[in-house]
Amino acid sequence: DIQLTQSPSFLSASVGDRVTITCRASQGINNYLAWYQQKPGKAPKLLIYTASTLQSGVPSRFSGSGSGTEFTLTISSLQPEDFATYYCQQLNSYPPWTFGQGTKLEIK
Amino acid sequence: QVQLVESGGGLVKPGGSLRLSCAASGFTFSDYYMSWIRQAPGKGLEWLSYISSSSSAIYYADSLKGRFTISRDNAKNSLYMQMNSLRAEDTAVYYCARVPLTGFNWFDPWGQGTLVTVSS
Repeated sequence: DIQLTQSPSFLSASVGDRVTITCRASQGINNYLAWYQQKPGKAPKLLIYTASTLQSGVPSRFSGSGSGTEFTLTISSLQPEDFATYYCQQLNSYPPWTFGQGTKLEIK
Repeated sequence: QVQLVESGGGLVKPGGSLRLSCAASGFTFSDYYMSWIRQAPGKGLEWLSYISSSSSAIYYADSLKGRFTISRDNAKNSLYMQMNSLRAEDTAVYYCARVPLTGFNWFDPWGQGTLVTVSS
């Protein structure tokens, strides 16, 4: 199974900051990676697929990059509604479909 | 609009059974592959099972060890998960999610989830 490791697990930042979350895969997965945002008590929401394609309706301050084993999710200027937990998911080798352990983004 | 609504969760004793349902609307359900994903309290996301549009392809996470069965009824626009021999570690919010028609298997959208609590 492909393991995904996110870093950091916790991130404290302020409104307006630029933040980057990293997801590393245990083996190469081409660009077959998705990112999700989850707010407390809510279902995950798809943000980005195939590493860098923004899902319709997602603000352009979100961007994704990477290929192979290392990927990043960047929020260019944090907004209050962006404080949430973020997960990566690999699409390359399944079953199983695997997720990273999550990165909780908190207000500083 | 596209909507997935789970139901059937609740409190069940260890060793008991539950059947979760996921009602789909706003899209042609019979065209799409579907999955179940769960999230234990305070934990991350765990993919559980996947079913193709015609039910011809079905996959499960190894952790389920034959205790759970996914199914669908395209005439009723519904997805199901039969859960047997439930354990405390199955306590989680269970989500159904749609797989896109692109051939890549991300999940979008997700239902709101249904909570399953396994406790004596």
